[in-house]
Amino acid sequence: EVVLTQSPATLSLSPGERATLSCRASQSVSNSLAWYQQTPGQAPRLLIYDASNRATGIPARFSGSGSGTDFTLTISSLEPEDFAVYYCQQGSHWPPYTFGQGTKVEIK
Amino acid sequence: ELQLVESGGGLVRPGGSLRLSCAASGFTFSRYWMTWVRQAPGKGLEWVANIDQYGREKYSVDSVKGRFTISRDNAKNSLYLQMNSLRAEDTGMYYCARGGGASGWCIPWGQGTLVTVSS
Repeated sequence: EVVLTQSPATLSLSPGERATLSCRASQSVSNSLAWYQQTPGQAPRLLIYDASNRATGIPARFSGSGSGTDFTLTISSLEPEDFAVYYCQQGSHWPPYTFGQGTKVEIK
Repeated sequence: ELQLVESGGGLVRPGGSLRLSCAASGFTFSRYWMTWVRQAPGKGLEWVANIDQYGREKYSVDSVKGRFTISRDNAKNSLYLQMNSLRAEDTGMYYCARGGGASGWCIPWGQGTLVTVSS
């Protein structure tokens, strides 16, 4: 089973600042990695798929990079609605699909 | 509009059973893999099971093998999760999502149905 480790657990930032979230896989997943956003009381929403492709309707301030074992989600300038929990998920070695434990982006 | 609506959650005693349903609309259901993901209260996401377009290929996480069964009815545009021998650790929000397997990533997700296993 591929273990995904996200860091940091919590990121405290102000609106307008840049957010950089990390996801590290226990073995190579090539580019088969997605990022999801979850706001309180809502279902997760797909942001990025195949490591660097934005899903339909996702603003350009969200970008993904990386391959192999190290991946990054960057939010270039935080908007109020971006304060949420972000999860990475790998789709290379399944079953099972696995998720990271999440990074909470909170308002500083 | 793509839509997934889960139902069937509720309070059940340990050892009991529940059947979750997910009604799909706005897309050709029979063309997609479908997935169940769960989330324990205050915790992260856990993939539970997925099923191919035809209902032939099915996969599940080890912790539910032998207890949960995923199925689908393409004529009714519906996905199901039969949950037996429920345990306290099965408590959480259960989401259905389009995708997984050969259908790629999960998009969209339903709003979820809450399962509580408690005596």
